[in-house]
This record gives sequence, structure tokens and C-alpha cells, in this order.
Amino acid sequence: KQEVTQIPAALSVPEGENLVLNCSFTDSAIYNLQWFRQDPGKGLTSLLLIQSSQREQTSGRLNASLDKSSGRSTLYIAASQPGDSATYLCADGSSNTGKLIFGQGTTLQVKP
Amino acid sequence: DTEVTQTPKHLVMGMTNKKSLKCEQHMGHRAMYWYKQKAKKPPELMFVYSYEKLSINESVPSRFSPECPNSSLLNLHLHALQPEDSALYLCASSPGLAGVAGELFFGEGSRLTVL
Repeated sequence: KQEVTQIPAALSVPEGENLVLNCSFTDSAIYNLQWFRQDPGKGLTSLLLIQSSQREQTSGRLNASLDKSSGRSTLYIAASQPGDSATYLCADGSSNTGKLIFGQGTTLQVKP
Repeated sequence: DTEVTQTPKHLVMGMTNKKSLKCEQHMGHRAMYWYKQKAKKPPELMFVYSYEKLSINESVPSRFSPECPNSSLLNLHLHALQPEDSALYLCASSPGLAGVAGELFFGEGSRLTVL
């Protein structure tokens, strides 16, 4: 059974800090991994989709990496801002049935 | 336009009511999904439609009935729900089946409360 794990469950940092969110997966044949952001009571916003062949994807202050050999993906947030406070979820998108396997999420608080 | 639109945003219903949740996308995506999300948990897949045909039903109780009238619309019909069905219901779409066939986009969700 494929699993996705995100540790820690919660993280609090001061504004301006660079930070890394972690995502571990057991699927050695992972095809892609998607990072989402969710604000309280809202839907999920897609941040980055990273293919196994790409290793890295960047969007603004966000950078996602994917290392199949170690079973890890990281989401790097540069110069964090209070507006970055949200829950961040990663999902293994390797199934050809449409089913994503989600991690439990990391809730980030950026303090002014 | 990467938008998935869900209505209503909030719904309160009794256990004997019949109601529907609606979802619409105009991105030309051929796969659409219903997810259920409880507080502080990741979304749980309920149904997948691919090219307007139901391809996955994750053993969802029959009191939830999905419908895909066309490639842009997805409905979730609700009948005789239980209080434990109260949750955020999320609709999503992707160009093909998510994962190997593209990025998944979510709507803002419909907050359902069953009294």
C-alpha cells in the first residue's frame, strides 16, 4: 500500500525566514507529486506539479524538489510572509485511476 | 481560467431532506472528482468520472448519488444523510485522470451540515 507522510504536522516560524516542508512517499515508481495549499474552510489550491523526470519546479518564492531514490519531496518557501500561513499538502499522483494519495498536511504559521 | 465552481457554498439539511451539490468547470477537463474532507484531515476520494462515465466509487453509501450530465458539470445528490456526513465536499477536475494525466484543480468546496 502506497503511503505519503508529512512531518511535522505543524510549524511556526517568524516572518522572513526561509523554510522547508517535507513529504515522504513509499512509491518507488512515483510518476509525479503535487503540492497544494489550503486555507481554513477553503478548497485546495494547486501550487506545483513536479514530474519524476524534472526533479525541481519553481513558482515565485516556491521551489519543489523530487528525489525518487530517497522517497522525498521538499517544498522550499523563501522569505516567508504571514500570508503564507496555511496547511500544505502533498499528493502522490502516480495512479492511472485518478486517485491521488495525500499526506496528512503540515500547518504553517508565519508570525509577523 | 483554472476555475472549478461549486454551489452552494453552504448547505444545512435535515436527515429526511433531498438536496444536490453542483460543480462546473470550463477548462475542457475530461476527469471530474468528488472528495469529502473532515476537519484537520486530508481529502478523501469519493467518486471519479472520466469522459462522463463513473470510473471509481470508493464504496460510498448509496445516500450519495453522483451524476455527470456533461463534460463540464458534476452533481452530487444527497438523500437521507446522517449527521456524521457533515463535512466539506470538494469537487475537482483534471485534464485526464489525475496523476499520470495531469494536474488536479479543486473548487472552493460546499460546507454541508446535517442536522
